[in-house]
Amino acid sequence: DTGVSQDPRHKITKRGQNVTFRCDPISEHNRLYWYRQTLGQGPEFLTYFQNEAQLEKSRLLSDRFSAERPKGSFSTLEIQRTEQGDSAMYLCASSLTGVIYEQYFGPGTRLTVT
Amino acid sequence: AQSVTQLGSHVSVSEGALVLLRCNYSSSVPPYLFWYVQYPNQGLQLLLKYTTGATLVKGINGFEAEFKKSETSFHLTKPSAHMSDAAEYFCAVSDRGNQGGKLIFGQGTELSVKP
Repeated sequence: DTGVSQDPRHKITKRGQNVTFRCDPISEHNRLYWYRQTLGQGPEFLTYFQNEAQLEKSRLLSDRFSAERPKGSFSTLEIQRTEQGDSAMYLCASSLTGVIYEQYFGPGTRLTVT
Repeated sequence: AQSVTQLGSHVSVSEGALVLLRCNYSSSVPPYLFWYVQYPNQGLQLLLKYTTGATLVKGINGFEAEFKKSETSFHLTKPSAHMSDAAEYFCAVSDRGNQGGKLIFGQGTELSVKP
């Protein structure tokens, strides 16, 4: 088991461009979460999936953000028309149902919008 | 809405000294409680959690935390700091009524350990 992986680790993009991040959870975990962490702050919840179903989205997740988990395995987070305010660390976590909310985090993708 | 407050964005201790990182939550029903640690350029690692039962919880790397319902607190302690403890620490809560288990984090406390 290699843990939660995220790709890319760093992304620099120009304002207005679209970006997509990938998260591969721990293989047997059926829940997958996305969080955003800005400098000096704690992570903020964005959305989560149970298997392939997206069950909750934060109000932070504007229409420019979309997340998918097509086969209940890996997930992608896309940001369209990036803005400078989107610059942050995007963290993915996974967990099993039944193990009380013990989430395992990936290393994150750091996005810089210039 | 639930919230988490970590008192002190920066804490500095000498090696071998007691570590005390403070966390208070606001919730009408005691939530599940967690402490995570984040080393530079890495993801978060779970140190310990409180769900039910004994209110003194022991975690990895010699850390422990005590849930005090009357004080709505879940402070993190370690009797003797080590240089390798220098990192960012986050307190988090999860609503018992929320089956999804999303975490709500505090703003974090950066721990520095002086030789």
